Amino acid sequence: GAVVSQHPSWVICKSGTSVKIECRSLDFQATTMFWYRQFPKQSLMLMATSNEGSKATYEQGVEKDKFLINHASLTLSTLTVTSAHPEDSSFYICSAKPSYESPLHFGNGTRLTVT
Amino acid sequence: GQQVMQIPQYQHVQEGEDFTTYCNSSTTLSNIQWYKQRPGGHPVFLIQLVKSGEVKKQKRLTFQFGEAKKNSSLHITATQTTDVGTYFCAGRVSGNTGKLIFGQGTTLQVKP
Repeated sequence: GAVVSQHPSWVICKSGTSVKIECRSLDFQATTMFWYRQFPKQSLMLMATSNEGSKATYEQGVEKDKFLINHASLTLSTLTVTSAHPEDSSFYICSAKPSYESPLHFGNGTRLTVT
Repeated sequence: GQQVMQIPQYQHVQEGEDFTTYCNSSTTLSNIQWYKQRPGGHPVFLIQLVKSGEVKKQKRLTFQFGEAKKNSSLHITATQTTDVGTYFCAGRVSGNTGKLIFGQGTTLQVKP
């Protein structure tokens, strides 16, 4: 149980375009989802906390207008990287948990390459 | 801000040797979790420690949570090649969302 699906697994886009990444909890409802970014051989950096039905909470230094988060239902959160640039190339991973005390369950991640 | 420091960053061991990674938080944690990420994969939950001084074992893996709930360790006895990967500790921050702060991770390489 507690499966999180993330799509797409990888995407290559041109500089200036926008990319949408979907994160779904398949067998549980998640009022909160978390978006992380991971550079090669580095740790997971929390970007934002996605809250169902309300605005996302962004971590310090993360641009809200650059990384748009929409959590429209209890099973879906999306991250849109707007006007992507090569420095946005990274591994983006979402996570969710069935309850407050549960551990995080991660999606498979999305490897974004901006050319 | 809140930080979780993890050392070492890398560890190369001969198969059969033991391995330990350490985490230290700047603040008291409500709990600590450990994850393993294989190369090219996503983090997978290993265990959660909640109580002060708690020790849990999973086969060859031993996890400890410090008395002050600010540090933790993961010890692997007699490493195997299947243990290869990056091990992350993650501290739970008290609050409504329960967000986790991840350590930098320790990448383990095991030579057969």
